[in-house]
Amino acid sequence: QKEVEQNSGPLSVPEGAIASLNCTYSDRGSQSFFWYRQYSGKSPELIMSIYSNGDKEDGRFTAQLNKASQYVSLLIRDSQPSDSATYLCAVKGNAGNMLTFGGGTRLMVKP
Amino acid sequence: GAGVSQTPSNKVTEKGKYVELRCDPISGHTALYWYRQSLGQGPEFLIYFQGTGAADDSGLPNDRFFAVRPEGSVSTLKIQRTERGDSAVYLCASSLTGPDEQYFGPGTRLTVT
Repeated sequence: QKEVEQNSGPLSVPEGAIASLNCTYSDRGSQSFFWYRQYSGKSPELIMSIYSNGDKEDGRFTAQLNKASQYVSLLIRDSQPSDSATYLCAVKGNAGNMLTFGGGTRLMVKP
Repeated sequence: GAGVSQTPSNKVTEKGKYVELRCDPISGHTALYWYRQSLGQGPEFLIYFQGTGAADDSGLPNDRFFAVRPEGSVSTLKIQRTERGDSAVYLCASSLTGPDEQYFGPGTRLTVT
């Protein structure tokens, strides 16, 4: 079982819709959670971090964390074609500072 | 300010050769990480430096891989006797301190022929 799981997609949404990306993790002691966006051929770009249960909003992005369910999600409101990318969920566990990544979810926003 | 930089951007080498990949972190960042990303997968951790010392090298796949950060800034990832399976994008990230958010460089695409 992978430590961080994401649906590989593609997730296709129409322009202007809400895109919902999900991630589960196995290490119950994990403390920090991150969402990275990766365009094709580029490196991961940090877009959100979340450390405590609940919602965290930044512009069109909302990260949600539920430690009891070991679940973290990213909502993108008013999706734009420029949001089309692979979204990587990353988790920092209790031991060490390295990130463990999921395989990423490919998002396609259609005009 | 300047982000993380990596050189070269692309490296093609023959099986069995030695390669060095360089990472220059964001100025003032004490923590530096190397990851490796294969096509269609998320990055996988290789090694973490806090200052000059390797705080965690548990992700290095075997003893052909080695990394240094002699002055606590620039780091070099060294791969001996390269194999075709080493082909991947090698990513470097840095953070202000260990627990902080990590920012990635553009990566080095290594191709072993």
